[in-house]
Amino acid sequence: KQEVTQIPAALSVPEGENLVLNCSFTDSAIYNLQWFRQDPGKGLTSLLLIQSSQREQTSGRLNASLDKSSGRSTLYIAASQPGDSATYLCAVLSGNTGKLIFGQGTTLQVKP
Amino acid sequence: DTEVTQTPKHLVMGMTNKKSLKCEQHMGHRAMYWYKQKAKKPPELMFVYSYEKLSINESVPSRFSPECPNSSLLNLHLHALQPEDSALYLCASSQGTSGYTDTQYFGPGTRLTVL
Repeated sequence: KQEVTQIPAALSVPEGENLVLNCSFTDSAIYNLQWFRQDPGKGLTSLLLIQSSQREQTSGRLNASLDKSSGRSTLYIAASQPGDSATYLCAVLSGNTGKLIFGQGTTLQVKP
Repeated sequence: DTEVTQTPKHLVMGMTNKKSLKCEQHMGHRAMYWYKQKAKKPPELMFVYSYEKLSINESVPSRFSPECPNSSLLNLHLHALQPEDSALYLCASSQGTSGYTDTQYFGPGTRLTVL
C-alpha cells in the first residue's frame, strides 16, 4: 500500500530564507508526483507536477525534484515571502490504483 | 480556463435534511472526482467518474450519492448525514483521456457543517 510522508509537519522561517520541504513515498510505481498549496479553509492549488520520467520541474521561485528509485521528492522555495505561508501537500498518482495519495502536509509560516 | 467551480461555498444542514453539492468544469475534462478533507488532514478520495460513469467508489456510505448528469457537471447528494461528516468537500477534474495520469485541478471546496 502506497504511503506518503512529509517532513517537517510545520516550519517557521524568517522572510528571505531559502527552504526545502521533503516528501517520501513507499512504492516507486507512480505515474507522477504533484505539489499543492492550500490556504486555510480553501481548495488546493497545483504548484508543480513531475511525471515519473522527469527529474525536476521549476516555476518561478519553486523547484521540485523527483528521485523515483529512492522514493523521494523535494520542494525548494527560494527567497521565501510572507505570502508563501500555507500548507504544502505532496501527492503521488499511484501506478497500481490510479489514485492520488496525499501526504499529511507541511504547514509553512514565513515571518516578515 | 483551468477553473473548477463548486457551489455552495458553505452549507449547514441538519441530520434529517437532503442537500446537494455541485461541481462544474468547462475544460473538456472527462474524469471528475469527489474528495473529503477533515480539518488538518489530507484529502481522501470518495468517488471517481470517468466519461460520466462511476468508476471508483471508495466504500463511501450510501448517505452520499454522486451523480454525473453530463461531462461538465458533478453532483453529490447528501441525505441523513452525521455530525462526523462535517468537512471540506473538494471536487477535481482531469483530462481523463489516458486513465488517471493527468494533472488534477481542484475546486475551492464546499465547507459542510452537519448539526
